[in-house]
Order: sequence, then C-alpha cells, then structure tokens
Amino acid sequence: EVQLVQSGAEVKKPGESLRISCKVSGNTFTTYWISWVRQMPGKGLEWMGRIDPSDSYTNYSPSFQGHITISADKSISTAYLQWSSLQASDTAMYYCARHLGGSSGVVFDYWGQGTLVTVSS
Amino acid sequence: DIQMTQSPSSLSASVGDRVTITCQASQDISKFLNWYQQKPGKAPNLLIYDASNLETGVPSRFSGSGSGTDFTLTISSLQPEDFATYYCQHYNNLPITFGQGTRLEIK
Repeated sequence: EVQLVQSGAEVKKPGESLRISCKVSGNTFTTYWISWVRQMPGKGLEWMGRIDPSDSYTNYSPSFQGHITISADKSISTAYLQWSSLQASDTAMYYCARHLGGSSGVVFDYWGQGTLVTVSS
Repeated sequence: DIQMTQSPSSLSASVGDRVTITCQASQDISKFLNWYQQKPGKAPNLLIYDASNLETGVPSRFSGSGSGTDFTLTISSLQPEDFATYYCQHYNNLPITFGQGTRLEIK
C-alpha cells in the first residue's frame, strides 16, 4: 500500500532553519516525482516545487525559488522541504504529494497527511 | 503563470441537488486539468484527472468536462459527505497552479 508519511508539527522562531520530511512506502520512491504544496491558514493550495528522486532534479515555483530547498534521499525513500531562515509568513500546512513524470502529467494521486509549521516570536 | 479562476467561490446546496463548479484557465491548457476535494483538516483527494477521467474509487456521481480554457465539475446528486472544498489544478506547464477553491456548504 502506498503511503506518504510526513514529519510532525513544528513551532519555530523567525530566522530559524527547518527541514520537514515525507517518507514514501510501497517501493515506488524513484518512479514518482514528489511535490510540496503549501496551504496557508484558511487559504487555498499553492505548488512550491518538486523533485525527481531518481536523480534529485528539481523544479521550483518562481514564488518560492530561493526561499526553499527540496531534496531527497532515495536510500530511505524520503523527500525533504527545507528553509534556512523562516519568516512568520511561512506559517502554514505543508503537504507532499506524488505524481508520475513524462506524458502522464502532474496528477497528484497520493498525498501526505500534512505538516503544520508555525513561525512565531 | 497560468491563472485558474473558479466560480462560484462558495455555494450552498441541499442533499440530492445537482451542483456544477466551473474553472477557467487564463490560457489554453488542452485537457491538462484535475479536480480535488478537500475536507477540513485533511489532505486533498483526487477526483478527476485529465479533465474528465474519474479516479478509481471515486463515486460516479462526480464527473468532469471541458477542454481549452473552460472546465466543469458536476456532482449529480449531492450526498452529505460531499460538503467540502473543491479545487481545480492545471499541469499544462510549470508552475502548476490551483484555482482558489469552491466551498460547498449545506443549505
């Protein structure tokens, strides 16, 4: 059974760094891209970027480029979303989701349960 | 970036009603459009992919149509578990973008 299991909620101060994780079960880690999606409190869904775990190739949304880093460790089937300096505006729920590459299109068929990040002084 | 505009932003309906939500893209996206349902405190769930294909396990009362710039999600007969927020998402090119969401509430 496919599962994307995310790390637990985090409370951080502005300026701190953070890395959250998304562990994929089901022996399919290098077959699917992993994307990260932000949902600010009471708001809609925003695509942040994605990684191909087979070679760690990444794409970022221009809205998030330079502020986040997406990485993956295929030896433990885990993708990561990282900030070097958090801001209060990073307070949100963050979801990982998988999709096939190539001609299959970006169809998010499985999602993680979400990681709530709270940034407050 | 391609802008996705959903309407209405919110909608009140009753169990058994037929409901249609629309999604308009700011440019031609062919059929590269998906629909998701999200319930409070939960991750989104895929309903429709490639504009009109029903995801496995999704009830047949959900259907999607459209191509180019105009798309619709229809629920033929609302059930109590359908009250949620619905999002469209394009994948014509990067960056991927979502509509702002349509909140479906019980009348």
